Amino acid sequence: SQQGEEDPQALSIQEGENATMNCSYKTSINNLQWYRQNSGRGLVHLILIRSNEREKHSGRLRVTLDTSKKSSSLLITASRAADTASYFCATTGGGGNKLTFGTGTQLKVEL
Amino acid sequence: SQTIHQWPATLVQPVGSPLSLECTVEGTSNPNLYWYRQAAGRGLQLLFYSVGIGQISSEVPQNLSASRPQDRQFILSSKKLLLSDSGFYLCAWDFSSGREQKQFFGPGTRLTVL
Repeated sequence: SQQGEEDPQALSIQEGENATMNCSYKTSINNLQWYRQNSGRGLVHLILIRSNEREKHSGRLRVTLDTSKKSSSLLITASRAADTASYFCATTGGGGNKLTFGTGTQLKVEL
Repeated sequence: SQTIHQWPATLVQPVGSPLSLECTVEGTSNPNLYWYRQAAGRGLQLLFYSVGIGQISSEVPQNLSASRPQDRQFILSSKKLLLSDSGFYLCAWDFSSGREQKQFFGPGTRLTVL
């Protein structure tokens, strides 16, 4: 079953603007990850944040995690047309590495 | 470096026909392997995962089965396809040691059942 719900389902912005996507989950987690998927392709891992971390940066990406609210956000700064893709959050919890994916946000960055 | 392959890339099959999708990983040993299905515009649903040769765990009851005949080979099968089996099938792997918990995905197979 889908643990994560992402908001918004779709987002359209202009190049240079920032894009923010949110993810909520239901059960306790070990870590939360964000993946990107270009249309019709496999997923690519972007960033991982552990349950004891609150914020993490990687290049133009900034991820926050609020375990009390069971939510995370992904911020892409200074967006580019090449950032157009679907973005998914995924969580691991309990034992093992199994991922539970959210429903995704479709981001379109227009020139 | 590690790579993951899936084939075929696309497949159109009639209802009731058999299915075999293959996934192979290169450049690593003893990976955890995963099969996911993605319906149009949706997230990924975990179908099967494997921690070793011959070890398969099923996440959802369904018309599909999986096998792992070799360390780096993962096969998704069906004896008789249903219309509802249509979707985008993704194979993924990660390190069994748990040193990196991110998963690496293959390019996917687009299956259309008519």
